[in-house]
Amino acid sequence: DIQMTQSPSSLSASVGDRVTITCRASQMINKYLNWYQQKSGKAPKLLIYAASSLQSGVPSRFSGSGSGTEFSLTISDLQPEDSATYYCQRSSSSLYTFGQGTKLEIK
Amino acid sequence: EVQLVETGGGLIQPGGSLRLSCAASGFTVSSFYMGWVRQAPGKGLEWVSLIYSGGSTYYADSVKGRFTISRDNSENTLYLEMNSLRAEDTAVYYCARVPLVLDAFDIWGQGTMVTVSS
Repeated sequence: DIQMTQSPSSLSASVGDRVTITCRASQMINKYLNWYQQKSGKAPKLLIYAASSLQSGVPSRFSGSGSGTEFSLTISDLQPEDSATYYCQRSSSSLYTFGQGTKLEIK
Repeated sequence: EVQLVETGGGLIQPGGSLRLSCAASGFTVSSFYMGWVRQAPGKGLEWVSLIYSGGSTYYADSVKGRFTISRDNSENTLYLEMNSLRAEDTAVYYCARVPLVLDAFDIWGQGTMVTVSS
């Protein structure tokens, strides 16, 4: 079974910073990779689909890249409301496995 | 308005059964892939199950053989039948929609809590 591994598990950054979260798949998944943001006590929100496509309504400071086994989510110009946990998720072969999550704290 | 509303959660003893419902409004469930995702207290997201618009179903290994996903097109509702429940099934259960063009969960319900405990 394909495993999804995110790094780091947590990070802290300041308003205006740029941060990158990495997601690695244990096997090739082409570009079948999505990113979600989850705030405490809320349902997840789709940010990026197909590795690099920005979901409608999501600010352009969020961007995704990668293909194959290595993917990244970059958040530019961090804002206080970006404090959340971020998850990657594969959508290949009808198995929608999530990464373990990355908790982002805004200093 | 496009919306998903889950119901059916609660406290259930180990070995018991429970059926979760997810009522959709603003779209037709049979036209989309639909899925269930759960989150144990303080833990990450875990994909549980998926049903294709054509009716094919898929499950995580952790629930295979115990959980069954289905839908009622006339009620525009998605279901998750959960049997032989274990303590480790305790979680908030979310239903979510997957448009083919995105192949990602774009609309989520608010979640329903399932607690498996004696």
